[in-house]
Amino acid sequence: DSGVTQTPKHLITATGQRVTLRCSPRSGDLSVYWYQQSLDQGLQFLIQYYNGEERAKGNILERFSAQQFPDLHSELNLSSLELGDSALYFCASSVDLKGPQHFGDGTRLSIL
Amino acid sequence: AQKITQTQPGMFVQEKEAVTLDCTYDTSDQSYGLFWYKQPSSGEMIFLIYQGSYDEQNATEGRYSLNFQKARKSANLVISASQLGDSAMYFCAMRASSQGGSEKLVFGKGTKLTVNP
Repeated sequence: DSGVTQTPKHLITATGQRVTLRCSPRSGDLSVYWYQQSLDQGLQFLIQYYNGEERAKGNILERFSAQQFPDLHSELNLSSLELGDSALYFCASSVDLKGPQHFGDGTRLSIL
Repeated sequence: AQKITQTQPGMFVQEKEAVTLDCTYDTSDQSYGLFWYKQPSSGEMIFLIYQGSYDEQNATEGRYSLNFQKARKSANLVISASQLGDSAMYFCAMRASSQGGSEKLVFGKGTKLTVNP
């Protein structure tokens, strides 16, 4: 158990819909990262928050957004969903900006 | 741009034998970190081992060791005494700099390890 909690574990929805993925980092970790894992793209970094502020952006689509709340949990919002958004979405956390990242179990998103 | 290359899509090893999973990296940063993660078929990502670019000794964690050769830009994972439960995908990753002093992980495509009884 990494200590990072992601909910829900599975999500099935339709094209055009909007979903929210939730992540609670390990106790004491200030930094939260979001990654997308798909068969064709592999593991891709999406976005990072540190202590409530956005610190880095990767290959995140404009239809996607995220935030980190004062209690340090984070949410990833995906809107106008397309078939190609089907993937495993991971949240990871670390104590600071450079430490090892510990991953949650992921949310498997299926778009029908 | 930072890049991780894992050239072995699949590897097979007999139970109780040692196996080496290859990883080469490309970066112009002087300070960087290298990680290995294990992903079983259940999907979770498990952190295994970390090597910093300035660490002089190779990292070890139980049956895992990292063969770090800086001049060759390689960071191979060695698993000793393989167990059936080691069957999984293994990802090499590098801590890469992003804007604002922050850092992300850049992952290789992974190696699927199968341990045979």
